[in-house]
Amino acid sequence: TQLLEQSPQFLSIQEGENLTVYCNSSSVFSSLQWYRQEPGEGPVLLVTVVTGGEVKKLKRLTFQFGDARKDSSLHITAAQTGDTGLYLCAGQFNDYKLSFGAGTTVTVRA
Amino acid sequence: ETGVTQSPTHLIKTRGQQVTLRCSSQSGHNTVSWYQQALGQGPQFIFQYYREEENGRGNFPPRFSGLQFPNYSSELNVNALELDDSALYLCASSRMDRVIGETQYFGPGTRLLVL
Repeated sequence: TQLLEQSPQFLSIQEGENLTVYCNSSSVFSSLQWYRQEPGEGPVLLVTVVTGGEVKKLKRLTFQFGDARKDSSLHITAAQTGDTGLYLCAGQFNDYKLSFGAGTTVTVRA
Repeated sequence: ETGVTQSPTHLIKTRGQQVTLRCSSQSGHNTVSWYQQALGQGPQFIFQYYREEENGRGNFPPRFSGLQFPNYSSELNVNALELDDSALYLCASSRMDRVIGETQYFGPGTRLLVL
C-alpha cells in the first residue's frame, strides 16, 4: 500500500512542452525527496525539500513543497527527450525509512 | 554513479529456494536500507541497518533477513522463495543526518526472478 499518491500515473508529451507531476499524502512529511529512475537502474536523487512552502529549482525542473508539508509537485519546463523516465516521490515521516509513491512514467517524444 | 554497488545484477531461482543479495555502501556511509520494487510500483521498504543493527523493518515476513558487516556492506537473505518475490531489490546507503533527514543513494539493483 502506497502512503503517497502520485498523479498522473503516465504522461506522454512532445519535446518542448511543459509537464507537472503531483505527489499527495494525508500525512505530514518531515522531508520529501524526488527521484528519477531509468529502466534497469536504481532511483537517482533529484532534490530534497524540508520546509513547508519551499521552492527549489534545478535547471528546467522546479520542485514545490506544500505549506502543510503534505503535498509536492515537480514541474518541468520545455521537456527534452532526456527527461524520459520514472519520477518517484518519497516521504520521510517520523522515522528514517522512505515511503515511495507508485511513480509517474514520463515519456517525452522527439 | 552513486558509489553503491550490488551483486548479482540478475538472478533466477525456483520456488522454495534461498537467495543472498549483496550491497556495498558508499564510502563514509554507516546506514543501509533495502527495498523491493515490483514491476510498475514504487520501492517498498524492507528494513534498514545502522552500525550493524536492524534499525526498522517494513511489512515483510521473517523469511526476509539481513546483515550489515563492520565495513558497512550488507546482505539481504530471502528463504523459501515465492513467485511474488520476483522484483528489483534495491539497496541504498546513507549517513544519518538528523537535521535534514537522510539522503539515500541507491545502487542499480538486483533483478530476481522466481520460477
